Amino acid sequence: QVQLLQSGAEVKRPGASVKVSCKASGFTVTGYHMHWVRQAPGQGLEWMGLITPNGDVTLYAQRFQGRLTVTRDTSTNTLYMDLSRLTSEDTALYYCAKETAAAGKEFDCWGQGTLVTVSS
Amino acid sequence: QSALTQPRSVSGSPGQSVTISCTGTSSDIGGYNFVSWYQHHPGKAPKLMIYDVSQRPSGVPDRFSGSKSGNTASLTFSGLQAEDEADYYCCSYAGPFTHYVFGTGTKVTVL
Repeated sequence: QVQLLQSGAEVKRPGASVKVSCKASGFTVTGYHMHWVRQAPGQGLEWMGLITPNGDVTLYAQRFQGRLTVTRDTSTNTLYMDLSRLTSEDTALYYCAKETAAAGKEFDCWGQGTLVTVSS
Repeated sequence: QSALTQPRSVSGSPGQSVTISCTGTSSDIGGYNFVSWYQHHPGKAPKLMIYDVSQRPSGVPDRFSGSKSGNTASLTFSGLQAEDEADYYCCSYAGPFTHYVFGTGTKVTVL
């Protein structure tokens, strides 16, 4: 069964960094573009970034450039999102998502979400 | 890159046809046939309902359909059902610089 299982909720201070993991099962992350999407309280979904199947390219939404790093560990089939210099505006539910196929532009499997709270 | 524009809410009675619009620009919806729609119950994982403007993944009921005209995409419920009550988001590929943009989201209420 294709599944994405994310790490648990995090509470961080402003200025800190957070790293969220997303373990894939039922498929290998080396076969698909993998994405991160977030939803702030009361807001809509927001695309953050992706890593390509062979892991050599990462692409980020302009507003996260320089703060967001998407990586993966092929030995554990796990995707990671590292967001630095956190502010209260980064309080959100963070989702990992799998793209359908190499040429697809849609997300057919999502993690359950990880709540990141940024508070002093 | 601004979010795609959706109505904040729509409602309908069971069995009624309802359509949600999603308006973008020639740089996203108008420029590519890569519009997808997601059903989202808050706090749960979003579910893919439509991809490539009008394609339905296996398992999605055929009462859901998608279309596009110019810079506006639409999701239509042909015969609304109680279990369709959720938030719905459109998403479009927006080229090699912006990549992807989501809609503002629409809350569907079944009366």
